[in-house]
Amino acid sequence: GAGVSQSPRYKVAKRGQDVALRCDPISGHVSLFWYQQALGQGPEFLTYFQNEAQLDKSGLPSDRFFAERPEGSVSTLKIQRTQQEDSAVYLCASSSGTLKETQYFGPGTRLLVL
Amino acid sequence: QQQVKQSPQSLIVQKGGISIINCAYENTAFDYFPWYQQFPGKGPALLIAIRPDVSEKKEGRFTISFNKSAKQFSLHIMDSQPGDSATYFCAASFNAGKSTFGDGTTLTVKP
Repeated sequence: GAGVSQSPRYKVAKRGQDVALRCDPISGHVSLFWYQQALGQGPEFLTYFQNEAQLDKSGLPSDRFFAERPEGSVSTLKIQRTQQEDSAVYLCASSSGTLKETQYFGPGTRLLVL
Repeated sequence: QQQVKQSPQSLIVQKGGISIINCAYENTAFDYFPWYQQFPGKGPALLIAIRPDVSEKKEGRFTISFNKSAKQFSLHIMDSQPGDSATYFCAASFNAGKSTFGDGTTLTVKP
């Protein structure tokens, strides 16, 4: 595709609901990153995949957060039993195997937990 | 411990002026230092990046200055335009892994 796409763009959840956020990386990109961006802050790392392997999940704030990339392309970030502090923009980025440092970001999913 | 510190938090510049944003980092293992531009409702977009073996990189109106010994780098925007008004983030990464971001600088360019 032309760029990284994310869906939904906006999600409102009631506290305690489960949500699933989807990321479609640029075709052929082997690395995929998830970041959380609170209002007025810089993005903070959550987790990283190389193909289907989750190589780093050190940034996931709790065991309510789970990410997967089963076929090495599309990734889903799942948040169980959402809390108000989970309200943020969730950004996905992908990078290729050649210019691998360059991360291309999607537009993000804005999650609001009421 | 905040590994990348960015200043100022906000910046107002007249059209045609020079915008300067500074960042300092802690981890000497970082080997890639990008700057991102973010507009409201959009994801960060790569503007320019530098590696620590180079002291300066220029692309059009955008220049990164890098001081390895001081562990500092800065973004200079020459001939600033109202369309440059956005939030700018510096970042750092190691071995093409996760990026550590600064807290951002909101730039306003007045016509």
